[in-house]
Amino acid sequence: DTEVTQTPKHLVMGMTNKKSLKCEQHMGHRAMYWYKQKAKKPPELMFVYSYEKLSINESVPSRFSPECPNSSLLNLHLHALQPEDSALYLCASSQDGQLHYGYTFGSGTRLTVV
Amino acid sequence: QKEVEQNSGPLSVPEGAIASLNCTYSDRVSQSFFWYRQYSGKSPELIMSIYSNGDKEDGRFTAQLNKASQYVSLLIRDSQPSDSATYLCAVSPGNTPLVFGKGTRLSVIA
Repeated sequence: DTEVTQTPKHLVMGMTNKKSLKCEQHMGHRAMYWYKQKAKKPPELMFVYSYEKLSINESVPSRFSPECPNSSLLNLHLHALQPEDSALYLCASSQDGQLHYGYTFGSGTRLTVV
Repeated sequence: QKEVEQNSGPLSVPEGAIASLNCTYSDRVSQSFFWYRQYSGKSPELIMSIYSNGDKEDGRFTAQLNKASQYVSLLIRDSQPSDSATYLCAVSPGNTPLVFGKGTRLSVIA
C-alpha cells in the first residue's frame, strides 16, 4: 500500500459546526503532516507529527485541533471555522523526519465553510 | 528564513518543445530536492527527486542540481498538453519539513 487516504473528499460546514478530517497511511511512515492550500498558492504547513507526537504547530488557530491516535492515523478536528478557512486540506506522510524521500500526499479534502 | 524561489509563470511552450522550470533556494545545508506536479484542484504528486550535483533522468523528465549555485531545475522533453499543471519545487534542509516554492504554472499549447 503506497497511498495516503483522506476522507471526506469534500466537506461543507457551517460556522457553528464541528467536523473532523481523517488521514490514514499504511506505509509505516513515522511522520505525518497537515497542510492548508488556497487557490494558486503553495501548500502552507499547519502541523507535524513525528512518532505520534506533535512536533510542530505553525501558530494555527485553536479552532483547528490535530490528533494522532496511532502511527497510521491522523485527524484534524474543526470547530467554529470562518469562511476564510475554506481551502484544500492536504495530509502528507514521510518515512521519517529526515525527508530523504520527500512526502506522499493524500488526495485532499476540499473544505467549504458557509 | 529558508526560501525557495520559483518564477510563477505562466510558462507557455508549444507541444513537443522542451519546458525548463527553475528554482533557487537559500539554505546551503539543503540536502534533498523534489519536484511535485499539481493539477488544478488536485493534490501534489512527486515526479522527481535529486540529491547530488548533476543530472537525473526519468523518462521525459530531467532534474538538474547545482549546489554551488543553489539552484535546481526540471526539464520536460517532448512536452504534452497533459503536462500542463503547476510544478512545485520543494527543498529539505534536513530534519525539518519541506520548504515549498510558490510554483510555476506550465501551459503546453497543442
